[in-house]
Amino acid sequence: AQKITQTQPGMFVQEKEAVTLDCTYDTSDPSYGLFWYKQPSSGEMIFLIYQGSYDQQNATEGRYSLNFQKARKSANLVISASQLGDSAMYFCAMRGPYSGSARQLTFGSGTQLTVLP
Amino acid sequence: DVKVTQSSRYLVKRTGEKVFLECVQDMDHENMFWYRQDPGLGLRLIYFSYDVKMKEKGDIPEGYSVSREKKERFSLILESASTNQTSMYLCASRTGLSYEQYFGPGTRLTVT
Repeated sequence: AQKITQTQPGMFVQEKEAVTLDCTYDTSDPSYGLFWYKQPSSGEMIFLIYQGSYDQQNATEGRYSLNFQKARKSANLVISASQLGDSAMYFCAMRGPYSGSARQLTFGSGTQLTVLP
Repeated sequence: DVKVTQSSRYLVKRTGEKVFLECVQDMDHENMFWYRQDPGLGLRLIYFSYDVKMKEKGDIPEGYSVSREKKERFSLILESASTNQTSMYLCASRTGLSYEQYFGPGTRLTVT
């Protein structure tokens, strides 16, 4: 069974500072992928970044980077230079086992990030 | 631009009613998903479909059914709504070639 754990229900960060959101995972599948999604108060889930289990380098997308530590089974999201618009719920998710033609996503419980002016 | 739409943003139904939640995507995606989101539990997969008329149960299918008669449309059905089905429902889709799922805006369902 797959499991994603986000241990920080809420986080605060000062504007323009960097923040790290924690995510640990558990899977017996050697091939997997990890995602981060952002959910603003409007409710829509916005894809931020993806890391495959065989990728040699940590994924980066603009101000977002994924600190992938395979041995520790962690996939932390780092947001550099936080902006007020970064205030949202953040979900870590893992690409699940093959089933039919679709791979499911397993989500963590989320971290509510608040950026302070 | 990628688009997943859901029929309602907010819905209030009574216990025992049959409820239909509709999801439409315009990206010709093969795979579609229904999740429910509850505080502290994240998103949990109810059902998914990888082709027209094909469906598979997710982690919490009890009390729900789905229908996919056309590629672009995936419906979630609550046969007899109960108060414990009060939740946010999110639809998503993706192609068979990529891993990213595209989400709709969600439907907040309240069952009274």
